[in-house]
Amino acid sequence: GAGVSQSPRYKVAKRGQDVALRCDPISGHVSLFWYQQALGQGPEFLTYFQNEAQLDKSGLPSDRFFAERPEGSVSTLKIQRTQQEDSAVYLCASSLVAEKNIQYFGAGTRLSVL
Amino acid sequence: DQQVKQNSPSLSVQEGRISILNCDYTNSMFDYFLWYKKYPAEGPTFLISISSIKDKNEDGRFTVFLNKSAKHLSLHIVPSQPGDSAVYFCAASDLSGNTPLVFGKGTRLSVIA
Repeated sequence: GAGVSQSPRYKVAKRGQDVALRCDPISGHVSLFWYQQALGQGPEFLTYFQNEAQLDKSGLPSDRFFAERPEGSVSTLKIQRTQQEDSAVYLCASSLVAEKNIQYFGAGTRLSVL
Repeated sequence: DQQVKQNSPSLSVQEGRISILNCDYTNSMFDYFLWYKKYPAEGPTFLISISSIKDKNEDGRFTVFLNKSAKHLSLHIVPSQPGDSAVYFCAASDLSGNTPLVFGKGTRLSVIA
């Protein structure tokens, strides 16, 4: 595709519900990052994939958060038993090997946990 | 403890004048810096970057200056246009590309016609 695509754009969940957020990176991009952006803050790192390998998950805030990228393309971020503090915009970014410091972002998924 | 700081939450500039957005960092391991622009309901869009081996990088109306000794960088936009009104994020990483970006909190720029 032309850019990074994320779905859904908006998600409302009841506390305790599980959610799954999808990211379609730019075709051919090897690296994929997930970030969480709270209101009034900058994006904060959650996890990083190179192809299908999850190389860094140090930013995941709890074991309720899980990410996968089984075929090295589409990635899913799953949050189990959502809590109110999980409410945020979840951003996905991908990057090319050749310009690996420049990350290209999707529009994000705004999650609201009631 | 914030490693990348943008101390001005907002900035207002008249159309045609220069906009200067500032960013400070604390981690001396950072050697690559990026500026992103974000409109409401959109993801951040890459604007310009600079590596630590340079002190200036220019792209059209946008120039980024890096002062390594002061651990400070700035983004200059000249002339400013109403379409530049957005939130600007400063981000830092190392040159390997395998590390995440560390972002500041952003500066909201308003360019007034």
